[in-house]
Amino acid sequence: QQQVKQSPQSLIVQKGGISIINCAYENTAFDYFPWYQQFPGKGPALLIAIRPDVSEKKEGRFTISFNKSAKQFSLHIMDSQPGDSATYFCAASKEGNTDKLIFGTGTRLQVFP
Amino acid sequence: KAGVTQTPRYLIKTRGQQVTLSCSPISGHRSVSWYQQTPGQGLQFLFEYFSETQRNKGNFPGRFSGRQFSNSRSEMNVSTLELGDSALYLCASSLQLASGGELFFGEGSRLTVL
Repeated sequence: QQQVKQSPQSLIVQKGGISIINCAYENTAFDYFPWYQQFPGKGPALLIAIRPDVSEKKEGRFTISFNKSAKQFSLHIMDSQPGDSATYFCAASKEGNTDKLIFGTGTRLQVFP
Repeated sequence: KAGVTQTPRYLIKTRGQQVTLSCSPISGHRSVSWYQQTPGQGLQFLFEYFSETQRNKGNFPGRFSGRQFSNSRSEMNVSTLELGDSALYLCASSLQLASGGELFFGEGSRLTVL
């Protein structure tokens, strides 16, 4: 019940295309859903996050869509650029003293010119 | 403002040895979390420390341990190393508990067990 399932494992997109990464969770108590971006040789960095009181959050070319009833959330990267090539991790948690941030297994995105 | 610093960056050990990894969080951050990253497994949570107390622990054997000092610096130790312990070990710090806030990751310590 603590798992976060992420797909696809890898994704190849042409420059200018839309990249879509999906995540599903089981624990209905989760109320914080961040996405992290990791470049080779670097640690992950927070990209964008959403809480379940909204169904969508947009920051520049990055959008999180959230479907509470389906227990799914996704990251959309519009107008994908070669500089977006990285590994993306979704995560989920229940804010509180004893919970932990659970990460998905990651999606390696490659954007070709 | 300095980021999260992890040392050493790379190390090679043999089976049965033990290893200690160090993490210096961002100044003012009181929470330090440790993750193991391996291909295909993503980021597996090891433990979180907040104000020198372990707040949460992942599903790893007792060979994995950690601690946090009064200056928020943290160490993790792996005893009796196994081949499967080869991984990138990431440390992350945050102002509040990790479950609800932004984590700031270091670049990791890459451990190879031969």
